[in-house]
Amino acid sequence: GAGVSQSPSNKVTEKGKDVELRCDPISGHTALYWYRQSLGQGLEFLIYFQGNSAPDKSGLPSDRFSAERTGGSVSTLTIQRTQQEDSAVYLCASSFPGSPRGQYFGPGTRLLVL
Amino acid sequence: AQSVTQLDSQVPVFEEAPVELRCNYSSSVSVYLFWYVQYPNQGLQLLLKYLSGSTLVKGINGFEAEFNKSQTSFHLRKPSVHISDTAEYFCAANGGSNYKLTFGKGTLLTVNP
Repeated sequence: GAGVSQSPSNKVTEKGKDVELRCDPISGHTALYWYRQSLGQGLEFLIYFQGNSAPDKSGLPSDRFSAERTGGSVSTLTIQRTQQEDSAVYLCASSFPGSPRGQYFGPGTRLLVL
Repeated sequence: AQSVTQLDSQVPVFEEAPVELRCNYSSSVSVYLFWYVQYPNQGLQLLLKYLSGSTLVKGINGFEAEFNKSQTSFHLRKPSVHISDTAEYFCAANGGSNYKLTFGKGTLLTVNP
């Protein structure tokens, strides 16, 4: 079946612009996660959704970052007033809840802020 | 707070040689452990996972890992590597809540002919 998909695959933006990154999870996966992968910091957890609610937003680095999920499916990660340090690969993952079967990752969105 | 340590940032090996990628974790609660592989410009692919039961876990592509609670380790092994195994490997853990995976820094495995 289809895996986790993310769009766009690459995004180049200018400092100060807003960007939206999209994640389409595996059908039936009610849990959805965003991570950030950067050279200096490795893989960092950003936010976790169960259904449409986000019980853990502890990893969002600043109030410029926000995320939402609608219909228990697609999620959008929004970065406002982008900064050069936001440049990274943003990875989305999904899983079934309640059982640690592992999270399944999308290909990521590579964001470059000039 | 949970942490995962991958002791080697880079491991070069020759084709058909055995390899071990080391991973140690720290946790005060029950832990679930995972190995992921990332090929260039791709996302993370789940190689194998330890949830409970047998401490020797077999995964895809001929990889296996052994959970050692006393040494808080979860090392990844393959008896004979191929060129196509060249990739970055990440060890990860969570406290059983099935969210917030904590990752190690990754080990770049380079298989040379």
